[in-house]
Amino acid sequence: DIQMTQSPPSLSASVGDRVTITCRASQGISSWLAWYQRKPGKAPKLLIYAASSLQSGVPSRFSGSGYGTDFTLTISSLQPEDVATYYCQQANSFPLTFGGGTKVEI
Amino acid sequence: QVQLQESGPGLVKPSETLSLTCTVSGGSISSSTYYWGWIRQPPGKGLEWIASIHYSGNTYYNSSLKSRLAISVDTSKNQLSLKLNSVTAADTAVYYCARGTSAWYECRFDPWGQGTLVTVSS
Repeated sequence: DIQMTQSPPSLSASVGDRVTITCRASQGISSWLAWYQRKPGKAPKLLIYAASSLQSGVPSRFSGSGYGTDFTLTISSLQPEDVATYYCQQANSFPLTFGGGTKVEI
Repeated sequence: QVQLQESGPGLVKPSETLSLTCTVSGGSISSSTYYWGWIRQPPGKGLEWIASIHYSGNTYYNSSLKSRLAISVDTSKNQLSLKLNSVTAADTAVYYCARGTSAWYECRFDPWGQGTLVTVSS
């Protein structure tokens, strides 16, 4: 199975800060990576797919990049409503696997 | 828009069978475009993909759970179900259902249900 390692496990930033979360795959996954946001008590929400494609309805302050084994999720200007846990997921190899999550606080 | 809602017992005894249902509203589970998946998250751990199913019956299981697992689709009720037998405390988790864009390759999940906590305890 492909292991997905996210860093950092948690971070605290201020409103307006640029926030970057990293996801590393244990082997190359091309661009088949998705990012999700999960707020407490709510359903996880798809933010980014195919590494850099913004899901419809997601604010443009979210962006994704990367290819192969190293990927990043960037929030260009952190907002209070962005407090959540973020997960990456690879879809290149069976079985699908997720990262351990990054908790973002303000 | 499509919404998913998980339901089932919140407490299951060890060695028994965990049974969950996911009701899909706002769209048809019989759409040929999508697969329907189950994902879980044990307390303090990461997300784990369990299995995905197409309404036609094509099913893909995580091999770590395959021997204990059965998932199915009921198109008349627009529901999918999950049965996991011989459960242990390690199966305690929040269980999510979600719509997937494919069986696994290039798959992304959207939307998801809110999840239901299942605790395995005597």
